[in-house]
Amino acid sequence: QKEVEQDPGPLSVPEGAIVSLNCTYSNSAFQYFMWYRQYSRKGPELLMYTYSSGNKEDGRFTAQVDKSSKYISLFIRDSQPSDSATYLCAMSLNSNYQLIWGAGTKLIIKP
Amino acid sequence: DAGVIQSPRHEVTEMGQEVTLRCKPISGHNSLFWYRQTMMRGLELLIYFNNNVPIDDSGMPEDRFSAKMPNASFSTLKIQPSEPRDSAVYFCASTLSVGRGYTFGSGTRLTVV
Repeated sequence: QKEVEQDPGPLSVPEGAIVSLNCTYSNSAFQYFMWYRQYSRKGPELLMYTYSSGNKEDGRFTAQVDKSSKYISLFIRDSQPSDSATYLCAMSLNSNYQLIWGAGTKLIIKP
Repeated sequence: DAGVIQSPRHEVTEMGQEVTLRCKPISGHNSLFWYRQTMMRGLELLIYFNNNVPIDDSGMPEDRFSAKMPNASFSTLKIQPSEPRDSAVYFCASTLSVGRGYTFGSGTRLTVV
């Protein structure tokens, strides 16, 4: 079993829909949780960063961490075709430990 | 800041040839990572350096792969001899804090024929 599980998709939704992307993990000691967005033929870019539990909101994006269920989510409101990309989750034990990555979910927003 | 700079952007080479990929991290970042990304295996960590010292090279596939970081502003990943199964996108990333956000370069798309 991988440490971090993420459905590869693709996930296809109409423009304007609310998108929910998820990752589950097995190591309850993870404390730092991140979401990266990767456009085709580009490097991943950091989208959201959360420490420990709770929610974090940035514009149309909300990141949620549920440590009791070992589950993290990224919500995208009012999705746009420009949100079409692969979204990777990543997490780490502490600020001195390397990131553990999910496989990435390919998201397609249809105009 | 220009971000993490990788060169070349694309490389096509014949099997058996030596390939050298280059990376310039963001100034002031003290950790540097080399990743490989393929459709089959996703993002794989090859090696990471902290303060120019290799910390974890357990992801380097075999002896054909080697990486160096002679100073804080430059790193290379060398494959010698290259094989078709090495075809992938190779990313370099840097950070000030290993457990937090990394900044990635645009990658080098390597094709070995």
